[in-house]
Amino acid sequence: GESVGLHLPTLSVQEGDNSIINCAYSNSASDYFIWYKQESGKGPQFIIDIRSNMDKRQGQRVTVLLNKTVKHLSLQIAATQPGDSAVYFCAEKEAGANNLFFGTGTRLTVIP
Amino acid sequence: KAGVTQTPRYLIKTRGQQVTLSCSPISGHRSVSWYQQTPGQGLQFLFEYFSETQRNKGNFPGRFSGRQFSNSRSEMNVSTLELGDSALYLCASSLVGANTEAFFGQGTRLTVV
Repeated sequence: GESVGLHLPTLSVQEGDNSIINCAYSNSASDYFIWYKQESGKGPQFIIDIRSNMDKRQGQRVTVLLNKTVKHLSLQIAATQPGDSAVYFCAEKEAGANNLFFGTGTRLTVIP
Repeated sequence: KAGVTQTPRYLIKTRGQQVTLSCSPISGHRSVSWYQQTPGQGLQFLFEYFSETQRNKGNFPGRFSGRQFSNSRSEMNVSTLELGDSALYLCASSLVGANTEAFFGQGTRLTVV
């Protein structure tokens, strides 16, 4: 699986800085959200998830924030590293369903 | 534990032909979903299979079909290929249940000429 050259929003950050990637969703019935990372030549890779009954969840170097009022999701990456360069997608799942709806994606480029 | 395996990785077909793509899910995962990824439309859900039954379907024409076998392996088929079907086709498997993460394969890159 490759990142297929999508016409994506881009974010460039200096190595060591924090990155914030944003995502807006539209379905009020969505109750589960996931962030995926897609590197060139690979399929989407799970980073972190959050359920709708939470507004924040932390992983290793990553934090996801959920604001259900404005239907907004963000991914924060601390101390961004060159290996973090990839396309990042948010995905939402509606209660009772197993299919994901993906956002457009954001291309993150880390400048050494 | 082996990940999701998709075959073939790359495929070139001619307009009007048909194609079959294969997906082997992670052992123990019974739900398999297919997605199409293109530059113009991004990642779009095609269909989901569970226990050999299609449980959910996205907004794609009937030329796109799939099936699942008793061992949870899945195939998708596209008939009468069009140039616009050129895309990366991704398969994801997951455990059954609410709020379970989906694991993706590396995809099959289909080029229609």
